Amino acid sequence: DAGITQSPRYKITETGRQVTLMCHQTWSHSYMFWYRQDLGHGLRLIYYSAAADITDKGEVPDGYVVSRSKTENFPLTLESATRSQTSVYFCASRSSNQPQHFGDGTRLSIL
Amino acid sequence: QKEVEQDPGPLSVPEGAIVSLNCTYSNSAFQYFMWYRQYSRKGPELLMYTYSSGNKEDGRFTAQVDKSSKYISLFIRDSQPSDSATYLCAMITGGSEKLVFGKGTKLTVNP
Repeated sequence: DAGITQSPRYKITETGRQVTLMCHQTWSHSYMFWYRQDLGHGLRLIYYSAAADITDKGEVPDGYVVSRSKTENFPLTLESATRSQTSVYFCASRSSNQPQHFGDGTRLSIL
Repeated sequence: QKEVEQDPGPLSVPEGAIVSLNCTYSNSAFQYFMWYRQYSRKGPELLMYTYSSGNKEDGRFTAQVDKSSKYISLFIRDSQPSDSATYLCAMITGGSEKLVFGKGTKLTVNP
């Protein structure tokens, strides 16, 4: 029962670089989500997707890009990383009428 | 006023104590209420999921929702050191994908 797998678990990069965080789920859930978790702010929704090729903005989408060509994958790209995007990123998924289940996160540091 | 308020603690209790964790909220449209447990360097793990007002029990955990007071609680009976974690409340309106989280309460259960 693999559930949700996020990769990499840790990433260090420099400002201005592009970085992609991967999320893969084995449940065939239709909905997938990306959050960031920061001290003082808690969990904040970046983007979500209701199905393949359907995505929508959350609370803090600026500076991020998502795609969903396959149901099981939902990558998050920072096109030009900034220090303010240093955070822990969580992917989640759910099926219809069920709560969200989370992966174990990617710790991203931008120097 | 924030949509969801949760006392960040930290809360420290002896093993075997009854723990009470609480959240208040301002949006009367919230219908679904969740509690997540998050261990250090891990993703949030769903503990309890309730719809509308009432109580739900699962082993040592009881979730209560009082919609008239806009107040939800999580009780942990016979607390164990393994319960030491951060507990996040979360809630959502029907038909929305935007789960709103409290900032979490850090709990330590001392042996």
